[in-house]
Amino acid sequence: AQKVTQAQTEISVVEKEDVTLDCVYETRDTTYYLFWYKQPPSGELVFLIRRNSFDEQNEISGRYSWNFQKSTSSFNFTITASQVVDSAVYFCALSEALEYGNKLVFGAGTILRVKS
Amino acid sequence: EPEVTQTPSHQVTQMGQEVILRCVPISNHLYFYWYRQILGQKVEFLVSFYNNEISEKSEIFDDQFSVERPDGSNFTLKIRSTKLEDSAMYFCASKSALAARQPQHFGDGTRLSIL
Repeated sequence: AQKVTQAQTEISVVEKEDVTLDCVYETRDTTYYLFWYKQPPSGELVFLIRRNSFDEQNEISGRYSWNFQKSTSSFNFTITASQVVDSAVYFCALSEALEYGNKLVFGAGTILRVKS
Repeated sequence: EPEVTQTPSHQVTQMGQEVILRCVPISNHLYFYWYRQILGQKVEFLVSFYNNEISEKSEIFDDQFSVERPDGSNFTLKIRSTKLEDSAMYFCASKSALAARQPQHFGDGTRLSIL
């Protein structure tokens, strides 16, 4: 069965600090995809990144970076030099390739509060 | 950039009433989903839909729920007899291909409040 765990319920940082959001997943599939979504206070879900199970290269996009480690089943998300606009709920999600329909299984989310 | 559109943004309904939530997926997308998020909780999968039929549904999606694609653009979620516990944000999502690598694009959600 698929499961995504985001152990950090809430994180508060001061602007310009770096912050890492943890995500640990469980799956029996060898081919799967991991996603991060951002939910700002306005409520919509915004796609940030996708990573497939065969690609363990870390990825950087501006102030965002992602560290995928298959050995520990983790897909962590780091925001460098955080800004107030980064304040949101961040969800990690998993989709299995062999499952028809490819639903997303979400973690509980981490509330990030960035204070000025 | 094309986006998923959901209406209404907020729906208030009396318990026991029927409610229909509407979604217009991105025009060239073929795979459609409904998710639910109870206030302060995680986003939960309800149902996936392809080729005019349900491809998967969760335990939450019981006989009170149904989905329909009545025409070439709309995708609706109906709750026949609403309960207090149906109060939640409902998100519609779509994607262009079945492959799991394709990200799902979400609408802004409909906040459903059952009184």
